[in-house]
Amino acid sequence: DGGITQSPKYLFRKEGQNVTLSCEQNLNHDAMYWYRQDPGQGLRLIYYSQIVNDFQKGDIAEGYSVSREKKESFPLTVTSAQKNPTAFYLCASSIGVSGANVLTFGAGSRLTVL
Amino acid sequence: GQNIDQPTEMTATEGAIVQINCTYQTSGFNGLFWYQQHAGEAPTFLSYNVLDGLEEKGRFSSFLSRSKGYSYLLLKELQMKDSASYLCAVIDSNYQLIWGAGTKLIIKP
Repeated sequence: DGGITQSPKYLFRKEGQNVTLSCEQNLNHDAMYWYRQDPGQGLRLIYYSQIVNDFQKGDIAEGYSVSREKKESFPLTVTSAQKNPTAFYLCASSIGVSGANVLTFGAGSRLTVL
Repeated sequence: GQNIDQPTEMTATEGAIVQINCTYQTSGFNGLFWYQQHAGEAPTFLSYNVLDGLEEKGRFSSFLSRSKGYSYLLLKELQMKDSASYLCAVIDSNYQLIWGAGTKLIIKP
């Protein structure tokens, strides 16, 4: 079955540490996205990518970095520069990058800063 | 600014009908999505509306009025598994997705 796999499901980080969240898809989708989900707020876009080796900042990119070396993979690094990283992170993909395309989401990664 | 409003939480009884509203004020409109998200899980696609009217899909229906900036999701014959958050998202004039904060639906026996 095609889908998106995120790992780890839960992650704890000490202040000052960088952590990397994995996202892999086997849907052959061109576009991939990272969203952050906080209680009481809508999903906020961190980064997105339309093709390999290209990505664009979303609304809240500061303190995050991404890479897109393979079509299937779009890892997110939460750096020590992100001042409030505790959140639920969702990776998604779609056929194209237009907002009119249906998104397929991964099950999410919950990051907690100790 | 762009804004999407949904009730924070709703409670309904198993077997009943519930309507979840979504009002939006965005720079342009190119469609509206509803997604379902069970706690701690991935959101999943429910419906897409771009024209006015009602779209029915089994127990779930979605309605859109572009002139009023309004949509609702109607859930019939509620089941316990329908307990989830329901996310409304609007596509703006730049084809960017604007998300509401979601409505947590609690189903009681």
